[in-house]
Amino acid sequence: GAGVSQTPSNKVTEKGKYVELRCDPISGHTALYWYRQSLGQGPEFLIYFQGTGAADDSGLPNDRFFAVRPEGSVSTLKIQRTERGDSAVYLCASSSVANNEQFFGPGTRLTVL
Amino acid sequence: DQQVKQNSPSLSVQEGRISILNCDYTNSMFDYFLWYKKYPAEGPTFLISISSIKDKNEDGRFTVFLNKSAKHLSLHIVPSQPGDSAVYFCAARYDYKLSFGAGTTVTVRA
Repeated sequence: GAGVSQTPSNKVTEKGKYVELRCDPISGHTALYWYRQSLGQGPEFLIYFQGTGAADDSGLPNDRFFAVRPEGSVSTLKIQRTERGDSAVYLCASSSVANNEQFFGPGTRLTVL
Repeated sequence: DQQVKQNSPSLSVQEGRISILNCDYTNSMFDYFLWYKKYPAEGPTFLISISSIKDKNEDGRFTVFLNKSAKHLSLHIVPSQPGDSAVYFCAARYDYKLSFGAGTTVTVRA
């Protein structure tokens, strides 16, 4: 596709459940980023991938959050034992290389009931 | 800790007039500053940027000013158009990591 895509666009789950959020970056982009945007806030950095490896996961809030990018393209953000405070829009971005312009996807709105 | 702050949550401006959005930052290690525009249900899209070694960058109706000593930047939109109504985020980059402000919602009145 032409841009970054994310699925699902909306996800409603119950407290304690496990969720997976998917990101398809722009083809050929080696750098991939996940951000979380809570209501009334700007996006906050979660994790950065260079190729297949997580180069920086310092923004992940706790060990319930995990992300993978096994083939250096599609990435999945995984959240275990979801809590109501996890409700937010999760944004994915990619760039051709680190430090170049980041292109954002439309986000996944996660609601934990 | 909030390293990038946008203290005005909203701005209303008449069509044809100038919109001025402000942003303050605390981390002197930031080397690049960006403005993103966001419409509802879409991701942020890049608008304009400025390197820390410059004090002004202009692109059509959009101009960004940087005052390093004050750790302050601003975005000027002139003339404002109805299609400019959106949320504007200020972002600052250190290495590959972007830090965002909370955003300013701009409404352009006809």
